Amino acid sequence: DAKTTQPNSMESNEEEPVHLPCNHSTISGTDYIHWYRQLPSQGPEYVIHGLTSNVNNRMASLAIAEDRKSSTLILHRATLRDAAVYYCILRGNAGNMLTFGGGTRLMVKP
Amino acid sequence: DADVTQTPRNRITKTGKRIMLECSQTKGHDRMYWYRQDPGLGLRLIYYSFDVKDINKGEISDGYSVSRQAQAKFSLSLESAIPNQTALYFCATGSALTTGELFFGEGSRLTVL
Repeated sequence: DAKTTQPNSMESNEEEPVHLPCNHSTISGTDYIHWYRQLPSQGPEYVIHGLTSNVNNRMASLAIAEDRKSSTLILHRATLRDAAVYYCILRGNAGNMLTFGGGTRLMVKP
Repeated sequence: DADVTQTPRNRITKTGKRIMLECSQTKGHDRMYWYRQDPGLGLRLIYYSFDVKDINKGEISDGYSVSRQAQAKFSLSLESAIPNQTALYFCATGSALTTGELFFGEGSRLTVL
């Protein structure tokens, strides 16, 4: 399975934008890029996903590099409730199966 | 009510005991998954099922078994629990009709003494 590399942790100030990077240099042409986050004491929750084009939804934006070897999750205005572990995951065509790495722990300072 | 419900939420047991963790979902999804999370680590896939008659091993299936009793129910069993199975267990559901989003339960914390 293609793997992803994320920083272990990042800090942000409240109400500022946050850019969470992810490298996936061995991504295949059919792999979707998914982002999930896990709030303390909860199960992971879906944030956003994309294939080639940049994507926006109510939670975040996903910027995908032209060569698809990296992507960035953008939280436009971080809040204290955004403090969580963010996972960047590649998903192939079959089965919805997700392979989780270590993720990035985002800390948001007031 | 939660879309994906796991029971029990917390369980303490002793080595050698049989344990069952249950998962039920109200989303009408065909696909269900069991993951395990150890402290400070990401989730690892134990078993998954694409429909009632389909069961597949995941990355770390040794020591575990599953049963898909109905489309909405997927249970995970530890036939003879051991201490290194102490972990947080998550059930998830997904649909073949969507682009891959999974919905997770709130987790079952299992401690094996």
